[in-house]
Amino acid sequence: DSGVTQTPKHLITATGQRVTLRCSPRSGDLSVYWYQQSLDQGLQFLIQYYNGEERAKGNILERFSAQQFPDLHSELNLSSLELGDSALYFCASSVDRRAGNTIYFGEGSWLTVV
Amino acid sequence: GENVEQHPSTLSVQEGDSAVIKCTYSDSASNYFPWYKQELGKGPQLIIDIRSNVGEKKDQRIAVTLNKTAKHFSLHITETQPEDSAVYFCAVHFGNEKLTFGTGTRLTIIP
Repeated sequence: DSGVTQTPKHLITATGQRVTLRCSPRSGDLSVYWYQQSLDQGLQFLIQYYNGEERAKGNILERFSAQQFPDLHSELNLSSLELGDSALYFCASSVDRRAGNTIYFGEGSWLTVV
Repeated sequence: GENVEQHPSTLSVQEGDSAVIKCTYSDSASNYFPWYKQELGKGPQLIIDIRSNVGEKKDQRIAVTLNKTAKHFSLHITETQPEDSAVYFCAVHFGNEKLTFGTGTRLTIIP
Protein backbone atom coordinates (compact mmCIF):
# COMPACT_ATOMS: atom_id res chain seq x y z
CA ASP A 1 0.00 0.00 0.00
CA SER A 2 1.60 3.25 -1.21
CA GLY A 3 -0.53 5.47 1.00
CA VAL A 4 -2.02 7.30 -1.99
CA THR A 5 -5.78 6.83 -2.11
CA GLN A 6 -7.86 7.22 -5.24
CA THR A 7 -11.62 7.11 -5.66
CA PRO A 8 -13.58 5.80 -7.39
CA LYS A 9 -11.72 2.65 -8.39
CA HIS A 10 -14.00 2.04 -11.35
CA LEU A 11 -16.32 4.35 -13.24
CA ILE A 12 -18.46 3.83 -16.30
CA THR A 13 -20.07 6.83 -17.92
CA ALA A 14 -21.49 7.95 -21.23
CA THR A 15 -19.96 10.19 -23.85
CA GLY A 16 -20.53 13.86 -23.22
CA GLN A 17 -20.68 13.43 -19.46
CA ARG A 18 -18.43 14.85 -16.78
CA VAL A 19 -16.66 12.98 -13.99
CA THR A 20 -14.47 13.86 -11.05
CA LEU A 21 -11.63 11.67 -9.85
CA ARG A 22 -10.39 12.17 -6.33
CA CYS A 23 -6.96 11.65 -4.80
CA SER A 24 -5.63 11.79 -1.26
CA PRO A 25 -1.84 11.96 -1.19
CA ARG A 26 0.39 10.20 1.32
CA SER A 27 0.40 11.84 4.71
CA GLY A 28 2.81 14.76 4.63
CA ASP A 29 3.22 14.85 0.85
CA LEU A 30 2.72 18.27 -0.71
CA SER A 31 3.09 17.43 -4.40
CA VAL A 32 0.38 15.65 -6.37
CA TYR A 33 0.73 14.38 -9.92
CA TRP A 34 -1.86 13.03 -12.34
CA TYR A 35 -0.98 10.52 -15.04
CA GLN A 36 -3.08 8.83 -17.72
CA GLN A 37 -2.50 5.28 -18.91
CA SER A 38 -4.45 4.06 -21.91
CA LEU A 39 -4.69 0.38 -22.83
CA ASP A 40 -1.22 -1.02 -23.43
CA GLN A 41 0.21 2.48 -23.28
CA GLY A 42 2.74 4.09 -21.08
CA LEU A 43 2.18 6.66 -18.40
CA GLN A 44 1.43 10.11 -19.76
CA PHE A 45 1.91 13.04 -17.42
CA LEU A 46 -1.10 15.31 -17.17
CA ILE A 47 -0.54 17.87 -14.43
CA GLN A 48 1.22 18.52 -11.14
CA TYR A 49 0.28 20.56 -8.08
CA TYR A 50 2.41 21.59 -5.15
CA ASN A 51 0.79 22.84 -1.96
CA GLY A 52 -2.27 24.03 -3.82
CA GLU A 53 -0.55 25.62 -6.79
CA GLU A 54 -0.18 24.29 -10.30
CA ARG A 55 3.48 23.50 -11.01
CA ALA A 56 3.62 21.76 -14.36
CA LYS A 57 1.35 20.81 -17.20
CA GLY A 58 1.79 17.94 -19.58
CA ASN A 59 -0.45 16.54 -22.27
CA ILE A 60 -3.67 17.55 -20.57
CA LEU A 61 -6.67 18.31 -22.76
CA GLU A 62 -8.56 21.56 -22.35
CA ARG A 63 -11.62 19.48 -21.39
CA PHE A 64 -9.69 18.30 -18.34
CA SER A 65 -8.88 20.34 -15.29
CA ALA A 66 -7.55 19.70 -11.83
CA GLN A 67 -7.07 21.38 -8.51
CA GLN A 68 -5.45 20.76 -5.16
CA PHE A 69 -7.33 21.83 -2.07
CA PRO A 70 -6.01 23.29 1.21
CA ASP A 71 -6.14 19.85 2.82
CA LEU A 72 -3.86 18.71 -0.07
CA HIS A 73 -6.31 16.31 -1.66
CA SER A 74 -6.69 16.74 -5.39
CA GLU A 75 -9.43 16.29 -7.96
CA LEU A 76 -9.17 15.69 -11.68
CA ASN A 77 -12.23 16.83 -13.61
CA LEU A 78 -12.92 15.31 -17.01
CA SER A 79 -15.69 16.87 -19.07
CA SER A 80 -17.36 16.33 -22.46
CA LEU A 81 -16.06 12.81 -22.28
CA GLU A 82 -15.18 10.94 -25.44
CA LEU A 83 -14.62 7.24 -26.04
CA GLY A 84 -10.90 7.88 -26.29
CA ASP A 85 -10.81 9.17 -22.72
CA SER A 86 -11.28 5.62 -21.47
CA ALA A 87 -8.14 4.92 -19.51
CA LEU A 88 -6.61 4.31 -16.13
CA TYR A 89 -5.94 7.57 -14.32
CA PHE A 90 -3.26 7.56 -11.68
CA CYS A 91 -2.59 10.00 -8.94
CA ALA A 92 0.86 10.10 -7.37
CA SER A 93 2.44 12.12 -4.61
CA SER A 94 5.83 13.11 -3.27
CA VAL A 95 6.97 14.91 -0.19
CA ASP A 96 7.95 18.12 -1.96
CA ARG A 97 8.71 19.43 -5.42
CA ARG A 98 12.41 18.77 -5.67
CA ALA A 99 13.53 16.52 -8.47
CA GLY A 100 14.71 13.21 -7.13
CA ASN A 101 12.06 12.75 -4.49
CA THR A 102 10.37 9.38 -4.58
CA ILE A 103 6.99 9.53 -6.26
CA TYR A 104 4.38 7.07 -4.97
CA PHE A 105 1.41 6.00 -7.06
CA GLY A 106 -2.12 5.15 -6.11
CA GLU A 107 -4.00 2.16 -7.48
CA GLY A 108 -5.71 4.21 -10.15
CA SER A 109 -9.23 5.00 -11.27
CA TRP A 110 -10.50 2.96 -14.20
CA LEU A 111 -12.65 5.17 -16.43
CA THR A 112 -14.74 3.58 -19.14
CA VAL A 113 -16.64 5.87 -21.50
CA VAL A 114 -19.43 4.17 -23.45
CA GLY B 1 13.20 17.34 -25.53
CA GLU B 2 12.47 14.96 -22.70
CA ASN B 3 12.71 11.53 -24.27
CA VAL B 4 13.05 8.15 -22.63
CA GLU B 5 13.40 5.06 -24.78
CA GLN B 6 12.93 1.64 -23.26
CA HIS B 7 13.82 -1.76 -24.73
CA PRO B 8 12.67 -4.40 -25.18
CA SER B 9 8.91 -3.92 -25.18
CA THR B 10 8.39 -7.59 -24.30
CA LEU B 11 10.73 -10.08 -22.71
CA SER B 12 10.26 -13.73 -21.85
CA VAL B 13 12.80 -15.56 -19.75
CA GLN B 14 12.97 -18.98 -18.19
CA GLU B 15 12.46 -19.07 -14.45
CA GLY B 16 15.81 -18.79 -12.74
CA ASP B 17 17.45 -16.93 -15.61
CA SER B 18 18.30 -13.21 -15.61
CA ALA B 19 16.36 -10.40 -17.25
CA VAL B 20 17.80 -7.09 -18.42
CA ILE B 21 15.82 -4.02 -19.47
CA LYS B 22 17.53 -0.94 -20.85
CA CYS B 23 16.56 2.70 -21.07
CA THR B 24 18.18 5.64 -22.78
CA TYR B 25 17.43 9.29 -22.14
CA SER B 26 18.02 12.56 -23.88
CA ASP B 27 19.16 15.09 -21.26
CA SER B 28 22.58 14.67 -19.71
CA ALA B 29 21.56 16.91 -16.79
CA SER B 30 19.13 14.28 -15.50
CA ASN B 31 19.99 13.05 -12.03
CA TYR B 32 17.35 10.62 -10.80
CA PHE B 33 16.39 7.32 -12.41
CA PRO B 34 13.73 5.12 -10.79
CA TRP B 35 12.27 1.82 -11.93
CA TYR B 36 8.64 0.90 -11.36
CA LYS B 37 6.88 -2.45 -11.49
CA GLN B 38 3.23 -2.55 -12.46
CA GLU B 39 1.18 -5.66 -11.89
CA LEU B 40 -2.12 -6.18 -13.65
CA GLY B 41 -4.79 -3.82 -12.39
CA LYS B 42 -2.47 -2.07 -9.95
CA GLY B 43 -0.55 1.14 -9.75
CA PRO B 44 3.18 1.38 -10.50
CA GLN B 45 5.32 0.47 -7.53
CA LEU B 46 8.86 1.76 -7.06
CA ILE B 47 11.29 -1.16 -6.93
CA ILE B 48 14.67 0.54 -7.13
CA ASP B 49 16.17 3.89 -8.02
CA ILE B 50 19.58 5.37 -8.67
CA ARG B 51 20.99 8.85 -8.57
CA SER B 52 23.60 10.29 -10.86
CA ASN B 53 26.40 10.21 -8.32
CA VAL B 54 26.60 6.40 -8.34
CA GLY B 55 27.04 3.87 -11.12
CA GLU B 56 25.32 0.85 -9.63
CA LYS B 57 22.85 -0.02 -6.92
CA LYS B 58 21.70 -3.43 -5.80
CA ASP B 59 18.80 -4.67 -3.71
CA GLN B 60 18.69 -8.46 -3.35
CA ARG B 61 17.89 -9.86 -6.82
CA ILE B 62 17.42 -6.45 -8.42
CA ALA B 63 20.16 -4.11 -9.58
CA VAL B 64 20.32 -0.93 -11.60
CA THR B 65 23.35 0.34 -13.48
CA LEU B 66 23.83 3.86 -14.79
CA ASN B 67 26.12 5.11 -17.51
CA LYS B 68 25.83 8.89 -17.52
CA THR B 69 28.26 9.35 -20.37
CA ALA B 70 26.23 7.14 -22.66
CA LYS B 71 22.95 8.33 -21.12
CA HIS B 72 21.55 4.91 -20.41
CA PHE B 73 20.58 2.86 -17.41
CA SER B 74 19.52 -0.73 -17.03
CA LEU B 75 17.49 -2.92 -14.72
CA HIS B 76 18.87 -6.35 -13.95
CA ILE B 77 16.76 -9.06 -12.31
CA THR B 78 18.61 -12.24 -11.37
CA GLU B 79 17.21 -15.65 -10.44
CA THR B 80 13.83 -14.66 -11.85
CA GLN B 81 10.67 -16.02 -10.25
CA PRO B 82 7.07 -16.22 -11.50
CA GLU B 83 6.09 -13.26 -9.33
CA ASP B 84 8.52 -11.10 -11.30
CA SER B 85 6.09 -11.25 -14.24
CA ALA B 86 4.78 -7.71 -14.68
CA VAL B 87 5.27 -4.55 -16.72
CA TYR B 88 8.39 -2.60 -15.81
CA PHE B 89 8.80 1.12 -16.44
CA CYS B 90 11.93 3.18 -16.26
CA ALA B 91 11.60 6.87 -15.55
CA VAL B 92 13.75 9.98 -15.55
CA HIS B 93 13.67 13.30 -13.77
CA PHE B 94 14.76 15.84 -16.37
CA GLY B 95 15.72 18.48 -13.85
CA ASN B 96 12.10 19.41 -13.31
CA GLU B 97 9.70 17.95 -10.83
CA LYS B 98 7.82 15.34 -12.79
CA LEU B 99 8.85 11.93 -13.98
CA THR B 100 8.95 11.07 -17.66
CA PHE B 101 8.38 7.37 -18.20
CA GLY B 102 9.62 4.89 -20.74
CA THR B 103 7.09 2.92 -22.75
CA GLY B 104 7.31 -0.16 -20.55
CA THR B 105 8.54 -3.74 -20.82
CA ARG B 106 6.19 -6.67 -20.36
CA LEU B 107 8.26 -9.32 -18.60
CA THR B 108 7.00 -12.89 -18.60
CA ILE B 109 8.71 -15.55 -16.52
CA ILE B 110 8.26 -19.01 -17.98
CA PRO B 111 8.01 -21.72 -15.29
